[in-house]
Amino acid sequence: AQSVAQPEDQVNVAEGNPLTVKCTYSVSGNPYLFWYVQYPNRGLQFLLKYITGDNLVKGSYGFEAEFNKSQTSFHLKKPSALVSDSALYFCAVRYSNDMRFGAGTRLTVKP
Amino acid sequence: ETGVTQTPRHLVMGMTNKKSLKCEQHLGHNAMYWYKQSAKKPLELMFVYSLEERVENNSVPSRFSPECPNSSHLFLHLHTLQPEDSALYLCASSQDRGGAGGYTFGSGTRLTVV
Repeated sequence: AQSVAQPEDQVNVAEGNPLTVKCTYSVSGNPYLFWYVQYPNRGLQFLLKYITGDNLVKGSYGFEAEFNKSQTSFHLKKPSALVSDSALYFCAVRYSNDMRFGAGTRLTVKP
Repeated sequence: ETGVTQTPRHLVMGMTNKKSLKCEQHLGHNAMYWYKQSAKKPLELMFVYSLEERVENNSVPSRFSPECPNSSHLFLHLHTLQPEDSALYLCASSQDRGGAGGYTFGSGTRLTVV
């Protein structure tokens, strides 16, 4: 069965430092992979997606994600974190007509 | 605004009450979804509607009853809820079922059952 895992509940980084939020997936075939962000008292907002092509995908707010098929990973990255990036981040995998979300990773960026 | 509007934003209801959550989208999307978000748990898919037909019901208790009168509106009718039903209920839509282009979410309804 398809699934997605976010191994870290919490990630803390200092402002200006690079950040990585990890995601691994388990699905046969070629998945569609997504990252969403959720700010307090809001719904999830689409950040970026990978369907095919270049393994490095660029998205909103300076975020990017790298698809690694051999490691079945799709980690979210940003070269220089901002305090305003503090939020809950969800990885999701779409396979067939089903979308599965991870449990979320809370990112805290400290000034 | 994302294009998906949920009302009310907050709802407090007793276990014997009946209430409804409303979701509206004018994005021309053909699929709509209800999700339950509880603290430290993955998003739980509750219901899926595609072209106004319910296509998925993930073993949700009958005290939750969805309704999709047209492609732009989705309701979640609630009755005799339990305290463990307190959560953030999110509505989402996508161009087609499964959302190859991604989902658009509303801001959610924060439900508290007392």
